[in-house]
Amino acid sequence: DIQVTQSPSSLSASVGDRVTITCRASQNIGNFLNWYQQKPGKAPKVLIYAATTLQGGVSSRFSGSGSGTDFTLTISSLQPEDFATYYCQQSYSVTFGGGTKVEIK
Amino acid sequence: QVQLQESGPGLVKPSETLSLTCTVSGGSLSTYFWSWIRQPPGKGLEWIGNIYSTGSTRYTPSLGSRVTISLDTSKSQFSLKLNSVTAADTAVYYCARDLYMSVAGDLYTWFDPWGQGTLVIVSS
Repeated sequence: DIQVTQSPSSLSASVGDRVTITCRASQNIGNFLNWYQQKPGKAPKVLIYAATTLQGGVSSRFSGSGSGTDFTLTISSLQPEDFATYYCQQSYSVTFGGGTKVEIK
Repeated sequence: QVQLQESGPGLVKPSETLSLTCTVSGGSLSTYFWSWIRQPPGKGLEWIGNIYSTGSTRYTPSLGSRVTISLDTSKSQFSLKLNSVTAADTAVYYCARDLYMSVAGDLYTWFDPWGQGTLVIVSS
């Protein structure tokens, strides 16, 4: 099975900060990589699919980059509503990363 | 807009079968894949499997033959059965639609929308 490893597992940041989360796949998955945001007690919500495509209705401060084995989710200017846990998911054989919890500094 | 709602028992005894149903409203089951995903308390997400509108299924290897996903198009529902459960199967279970996009022969898929999730505890 293809594994995806996220880093860091958690981070503390302030409102307005630029935040970067990385996801590394255990083998080449092309652009088969999605990003989700999950808030406590809620279902995950897709932010980015096919590595770089912003889901409709999602703020443009979220962006995705990468291809092959290394991918990045960037939040350009962290807002209060962005404090959550973020997951990457490879859609080649469907596994999720372990998650990155973004907390308030 | 499409909405999904999980239903089923919140408590299952060890060695018994976990059964959940997802009801889809606001759209058709046709021409989509439909998935089950779970999340143990305080942990990450695990895809369980999916079913296409034709009835074709795919399951994660780690759960193997314990899983069955089925479809009832007349009721706009799809269901999950997980047999021989243990405490390790305690989790919030989500149903979700697999959206997809074909680009140059590659099929990109992602999960949207999701149901709100239902907590299933395995305990005697």
